[in-house]
Amino acid sequence: EVQLVESGGGLVQPGGSQRLSCAASGFTFDENAMHWVRQVPGKGLEWVSGIGWNSVKIDYADSVKGRFTISRDNIDNSLHLQMNSLRPEDTAFYYCARGEGMASLKSPLDYWGQGILVTVSS
Amino acid sequence: DIVMTQSPVTLSVSPGERATLSCRASQSISDNLAWYQQKPGQAPRLLIKHASTRATGIPARFSGSGSGTEFTLTISSLQSEDFAVYYCQQYSGWPLTFGGGTMVEIK
Repeated sequence: EVQLVESGGGLVQPGGSQRLSCAASGFTFDENAMHWVRQVPGKGLEWVSGIGWNSVKIDYADSVKGRFTISRDNIDNSLHLQMNSLRPEDTAFYYCARGEGMASLKSPLDYWGQGILVTVSS
Repeated sequence: DIVMTQSPVTLSVSPGERATLSCRASQSISDNLAWYQQKPGQAPRLLIKHASTRATGIPARFSGSGSGTEFTLTISSLQSEDFAVYYCQQYSGWPLTFGGGTMVEIK
């Protein structure tokens, strides 16, 4: 059974940093691209960042480019999102999601974690 | 960016009735479209990929159609567990973008 479990959320002050992690199990981790998608409570979905199976292909939404860094560790089957210079508008549930494809980031997202809340507030 | 527009925003349907949800892309995306279901407090779940292919374990009452810029998700006979928010997502262009969602509520 595919499982994605996020951790690392919580309350952070504006301008601060937070690192999210996603522990993956139940599939061969290095055979899929991985993504982060966020959702402001009560609002719609926004793709944040994606990374190919071997970390060669990486991309970000314009709203986070230069502030967020995605990475993965294919040894311990984990995905990470380092978030710096956080703003109140970054407050959201952050979901880890598996891309259906291996290298291409352009794919449906076939499994999702339960999400974790990041609140940026003073 | 490719803008995805869903309609209606809210759809009121009685159990057992058919629900038809629409999604329009601002430019042609071929069949590179997915549909997701999200229930309160839960993560989105993939229902349909490549516009019309049901994902693993998705009941046959869910069907998708369309290509280019116009897409439809049909739920043939609504069950109680189908009342939720539905999102479309394109993966033809970059970045990946989602529609604003359609809430299917009990009439």
